[in-house]
Amino acid sequence: AQSVTQPDIHITVSEGASLELRCNYSYGATPYLFWYVQSPGQGLQLLLKYFSGDTLVQGIKGFEAEFKRSQSSFNLRKPSVHWSDAAEYFCAVGARGYQKVTFGTGTKLQVIP
Amino acid sequence: GAVVSQHPSWVICKSGTSVKIECRSLDFQATTMFWYRQFPKQSLMLMATSNEGSKATYEQGVEKDKFLINHASLTLSTLTVTSAHPEDSSFYICSARLSNSNQPQHFGDGTRLSIL
Repeated sequence: AQSVTQPDIHITVSEGASLELRCNYSYGATPYLFWYVQSPGQGLQLLLKYFSGDTLVQGIKGFEAEFKRSQSSFNLRKPSVHWSDAAEYFCAVGARGYQKVTFGTGTKLQVIP
Repeated sequence: GAVVSQHPSWVICKSGTSVKIECRSLDFQATTMFWYRQFPKQSLMLMATSNEGSKATYEQGVEKDKFLINHASLTLSTLTVTSAHPEDSSFYICSARLSNSNQPQHFGDGTRLSIL
């Protein structure tokens, strides 16, 4: 069965600082990987996805993520965080030809001035 | 593109009533839609997978008679919470996936359900 671990429940960074959110997955083959962002009381917005090819994936809002098969990781990064990035971030894994996507428990990002 | 609309965004009702939530894909056809439940400060838990023209597939532990799902067209799926009770209060989110493709799910904005 597929699973996702986001080890950091809550992260605080200063505006302008760099950000890395960790995600580790468990899946028997090459998975589909996603990062979503959720603002309070709202649905989820797709930031980026990895299906195949280049392991460094660029997304919206200046985010990127790198798929590292050897580490079973798909960490999300941003070089300079903006106050508007404060939200909850969910990593997710899906099987190829997938129906179901499994979400991690989320990382809440707080941005301080 | 790939917009998913969910309605209503917030509903308050009395215990014992039934509540219907709609999920529409506005600019694409969705063979498959998914219904999730999210408790405060927790992740999304998949409740069921809804396939157009067929019965929904429910996850283990989800009462199919309690949470009725209908997916009558390629752009609309509904979730009806029957005889709702306070413990059914939660944030319900739907998502839809483009037909016949390995594309990511696109999410609605969710429905906040409060049962008094």
